[in-house]
Amino acid sequence: QVRLQVSGPGLVKPSQTLSLTCSVSGGSMRIDGYYWTWIRQRPEKGLEYIGYIYHTGSTNYNPSLKSRIAMSIDTSKKQFSLKLRSVTAADTALYFCARGSQGGDGVCFDNWGPGSLVTVSS
Amino acid sequence: SYVLTQPPSVSVPPGQTARITCGGNRIGSKTVHWYQQKPGQAPVLVVYDGSHRPSGIPERFSGSNSGNTATLTISGVGAGDEADYHCQVWDGNIDLPGVFGGGTKLTVL
Repeated sequence: QVRLQVSGPGLVKPSQTLSLTCSVSGGSMRIDGYYWTWIRQRPEKGLEYIGYIYHTGSTNYNPSLKSRIAMSIDTSKKQFSLKLRSVTAADTALYFCARGSQGGDGVCFDNWGPGSLVTVSS
Repeated sequence: SYVLTQPPSVSVPPGQTARITCGGNRIGSKTVHWYQQKPGQAPVLVVYDGSHRPSGIPERFSGSNSGNTATLTISGVGAGDEADYHCQVWDGNIDLPGVFGGGTKLTVL
């Protein structure tokens, strides 16, 4: 069973960069059909897709965040990372990393990390 | 971008059947996935590819999809089913493929 775990600061100052890393255990990151994904949940809100990175390094970012996001992957360390620049209070959220799995006709998220609360505040 | 609409809340007496809807334009032509999220926890996939259950998910959970509405049905609900439920599609729109509904809170009365 694949396990994912987010690590990173729980408090970030406004205008600074939020940096999170997801560590993957129990499976390979190099398998085709897996999309290593970041998802967030703002307080009392639904889930918001942030973006994914493939093992080849190709990425897809939510257009609403695209200008501030960078994702990277290190399959040898079994980690992938998220950087979100110029954060504001609106970026305060529970951040999840998840594995997207390509099925018959789309991708579902079959493995999730427990989530990491990031608060943006001075 | 594609939009999924869920009712904010659904309430059902214990032992009855809960139906949670997810509306979207011609969603019947898309593959829908459903997640259960309990307070303070990560979401858990309960139905994928419209009607399939991952290992360990009870047969009480089922999914259907037609026209402009997808439905998650939970039969014989109990207190342990009280949670938020989220629908999700992977849209062909390459700009924003990952789309979630706003989530529905299921309350067992």
